[in-house]
Amino acid sequence: GENVEQHPSTLSVQEGDSAVIKCTYSDSASNYFPWYKQELGKGPQLIIDIRSNVGEKKDQRIAVTLNKTAKHFSLHITETQPEDSAVYFCAAPDRGSTLGRLYFGRGTQLTVWP
Amino acid sequence: NAGVTQTPKFRVLKTGQSMTLLCAQDMNHEYMYWYRQDPGMGLRLIHYSVGEGTTAKGEVPDGYNVSRLKKQNFLLGLESAAPSQTSVYFCASSYSRLAGEYEQFFGPGTRLTVL
Repeated sequence: GENVEQHPSTLSVQEGDSAVIKCTYSDSASNYFPWYKQELGKGPQLIIDIRSNVGEKKDQRIAVTLNKTAKHFSLHITETQPEDSAVYFCAAPDRGSTLGRLYFGRGTQLTVWP
Repeated sequence: NAGVTQTPKFRVLKTGQSMTLLCAQDMNHEYMYWYRQDPGMGLRLIHYSVGEGTTAKGEVPDGYNVSRLKKQNFLLGLESAAPSQTSVYFCASSYSRLAGEYEQFFGPGTRLTVL
């Protein structure tokens, strides 16, 4: 199956600064890369995703970039706010088995200090 | 539209006891999943289902069983609980938005402690 590695495990930034979280994957056939945000006491929720035929995708203050050659993708959050504090997970699909299965990274705890 | 709901929210068990966690979704999704979340380990897939009456093993299936008798429900059972099963359990469901894209919708989680 797919192997997804995520760094860093913790990240602290000052409000207004940018935050970047990086993930690598192992299966070159993977073509869909979502990012999930988990707020304290809640389940993860999809915030942005990218397909392999696109190099970058933006949605207001968040963006995801993909480098297929190097097999890595990153989440960028600009102008961070305290409400961005959460655990963020990257994921990649399991191409070798049943549709719909995702492999998740171990998560990044982002803390935004006011 | 409640989305994905999980019952119970909290539970404390003694070693050797059994219990069933219930997951329900009202979005008519085909796929359903059970994950466990432990500190520093991310989300690990226990079992999943691609349709009513079908189930499959994930990364960490030992000690758990599942059933999907109805499309909207996915049950996770612990026959003989062990302290290593202390964790937060999340259920999720998904559908195919486009070919190869599957957005998973998560429930609020069940915090289980095994003494």
